[in-house]
Amino acid sequence: GENVEQHPSTLSVQEGDSAVIKCTYSDSASNYFPWYKQELGKGPQLIIDIRSNVGEKKDQRIAVTLNKTAKHFSLHITETQPEDSAVYFCAALLFGDTGRRALTFGSGTRLQVQP
Amino acid sequence: DVKVTQSSRYLVKRTGEKVFLECVQDMDHENMFWYRQDPGLGLRLIYFSYDVKMKEKGDIPEGYSVSREKKERFSLILESASTNQTSMYLCASSPSGQGAPYNEQFFGPGTRLTVL
Repeated sequence: GENVEQHPSTLSVQEGDSAVIKCTYSDSASNYFPWYKQELGKGPQLIIDIRSNVGEKKDQRIAVTLNKTAKHFSLHITETQPEDSAVYFCAALLFGDTGRRALTFGSGTRLQVQP
Repeated sequence: DVKVTQSSRYLVKRTGEKVFLECVQDMDHENMFWYRQDPGLGLRLIYFSYDVKMKEKGDIPEGYSVSREKKERFSLILESASTNQTSMYLCASSPSGQGAPYNEQFFGPGTRLTVL
C-alpha cells in the first residue's frame, strides 16, 4: 500500500547546530505534507505544513522543502535549542484504495539537542 | 484553545476483556480520529468519523470498533482485548469544511493501554 518513510529514527545535535529530517512518499497524487512535533507526555502538535504548489515554506527557525518529482520532503531546524528536543513526525495526505484521503504518518524521528 | 481529552492516561486490562477508550473534544469539530502509536511504526489510523453516527475504517481496523453518538465524543472499542493491542492510543479532531483534509488535527495526550 501507499506509505511514508522517515529518516533518521534518532538524531542528536549540539545546541545551535541545524537538524534535518527527511521523508519520502509513494503516492504521486499526494498534495499535502504536514509535520507534527510530539513532546514527552503529550499528543503530536502541528508545527508546519506545505502543499504541493510550493517548493519551500519557512516559519522562523523551521522550514520545509518539497521535491515532488523525487517524492520527498524535508524538515529543517536551524539554531537548535534544547526545547526542540522531541519526536517529529512527517505525514502525507494519501489516497486509499477507495479514494479516501487521510494522513499517513512516518515512523518518527527522536531529536535530542545537547546543551 | 482546542482541547481533546482522553478518559485515561494509563489503562491495564486482561486478555479477552472488552475495553472502551473515550475521547471528547470541545471545539465542535466534525472530524475525529483514532490512531495507535508504536515504536518504529509511527501513528497508524484505526478508524475515523466525519459526522455523528458515521464511521470509516482506517489502515488497521481489525479487532476494533468505534461509536460516535454525539458530535463531541468518539469511542474506541476493543471487543476482546489481546496482548498485541498493547499500545499508545491517540485521539484527534479537526474541523470540516471545504479544506477538510488539509485542516490541522488536534491530538489528545494519549492512553497507554497494557493488555496482560
